[in-house]
Amino acid sequence: DSGVTQTPKHLITATGQRVTLRCSPRSGDLSVYWYQQSLDQGLQFLIQYYNGEERAKGNILERFSAQQFPDLHSELNLSSLELGDSALYFCASSRSGTPGYEQYFGPGTRLTVT
Amino acid sequence: EDQVTQSPEALRLQEGESSSLNCSYTVSGLRGLFWYRQDPGKGPEFLFTLYSAGEEKEKERLKATLTKKESFLHITAPKPEDSATYLCAVQASNDYKLSFGAGTTVTVRA
Repeated sequence: DSGVTQTPKHLITATGQRVTLRCSPRSGDLSVYWYQQSLDQGLQFLIQYYNGEERAKGNILERFSAQQFPDLHSELNLSSLELGDSALYFCASSRSGTPGYEQYFGPGTRLTVT
Repeated sequence: EDQVTQSPEALRLQEGESSSLNCSYTVSGLRGLFWYRQDPGKGPEFLFTLYSAGEEKEKERLKATLTKKESFLHITAPKPEDSATYLCAVQASNDYKLSFGAGTTVTVRA
């Protein structure tokens, strides 16, 4: 158990809908990262927050957005969902916002868009 | 752009048969190279961080090494519970994200 929690574990929804994925980092970790894992793309970085502020962005679609709250939990919002958005979404956390620190991953949310 | 290539894609081993996994990388200024283990449907589990060429780290039957262009994960006398996908990732010195390879899926038969 990494100490990172994610809810829900599974999510099934229809195209065009909007969903929210939630992540709580390990105790004491200030950085939260979101990754998408699909069969054809592997693990891809989406976005990072550090202590409530956006720190870095990857290939995140404009339909996707995220935020980190004062209690440090984070939410990833996915809207206008398409079949291709079906994937595992992982949250990871690290102690610091600077490079070089290992990231600890949560159990993931499996999103299925039908 | 950072590139990480892992080989082989899949590895089938007999219990006790030692082997090595390769991770070749291209990155502009390596800040760290990370190894993770991932079981099906689960989140990646952190194994090691390597920071500079020549560095080695060990944990039970696993040993990771680093050169300027690649890293190896050696599995010594593996057991069936070592079956998993092993992921390699790099982080550039001026970047926050991890760039992952596609992974090597290891199957250890009893």
